[in-house]
Amino acid sequence: EPEVTQTPSHQVTQMGQEVILRCVPISNHLYFYWYRQILGQKVEFLVSFYNNEISEKSEIFDDQFSVERPDGSNFTLKIRSTKLEDSAMYFCASSERVSSYEQYFGPGTRLTVT
Amino acid sequence: AQSVAQPEDQVNVAEGNPLTVKCTYSVSGNPYLFWYVQYPNRGLQFLLKYITGDNLVKGSYGFEAEFNKSQTSFHLKKPSALVSDSALYFCAVRDDYKLSFGAGTTVTVRA
Repeated sequence: EPEVTQTPSHQVTQMGQEVILRCVPISNHLYFYWYRQILGQKVEFLVSFYNNEISEKSEIFDDQFSVERPDGSNFTLKIRSTKLEDSAMYFCASSERVSSYEQYFGPGTRLTVT
Repeated sequence: AQSVAQPEDQVNVAEGNPLTVKCTYSVSGNPYLFWYVQYPNRGLQFLLKYITGDNLVKGSYGFEAEFNKSQTSFHLKKPSALVSDSALYFCAVRDDYKLSFGAGTTVTVRA
């Protein structure tokens, strides 16, 4: 069964450093998403991406964040200058089309900012 | 904005007993509702959805959910719980392109 994959599973970085989180969505999916879950809190939406552009973003997704689909398979989330409060589990998700409604999630990348 | 609430942080049941995880929603228009499950160190796994049609929807692993418009609820149910159902369960509602999640309910099924 096709799955969303994410690398790395755990990333430790120092405050102020740039990080890139990588995702490979399910191959025939067209819509891509990033969510995050701070420890003990609910899953929060960051951004959705379709047709090589952002379709929606949350207040969390400020200028420090960017997304890219550099090739036909990868979908990346970049945080330019990490802060302590960026420490969280980051989930990538994809859906076949917007009308399919359900999104399929990857296993997550745990980002720890020290 | 669309939102869901999960009133219980934890649900504890004995194996073989019915399991119910509660969710209520607040939406404008027709709700598109989902249940996801998260096992330790794993991502969110899709269980089931309600878009339209029958109020009782069936999903993976023997789970079902009942959509109740008058009570604005979408409770997740399983007639006979297994120890392996112990996990974190999230209710979610579609809000434009994104999903808005509830806070989650930790289910513990004791043998």
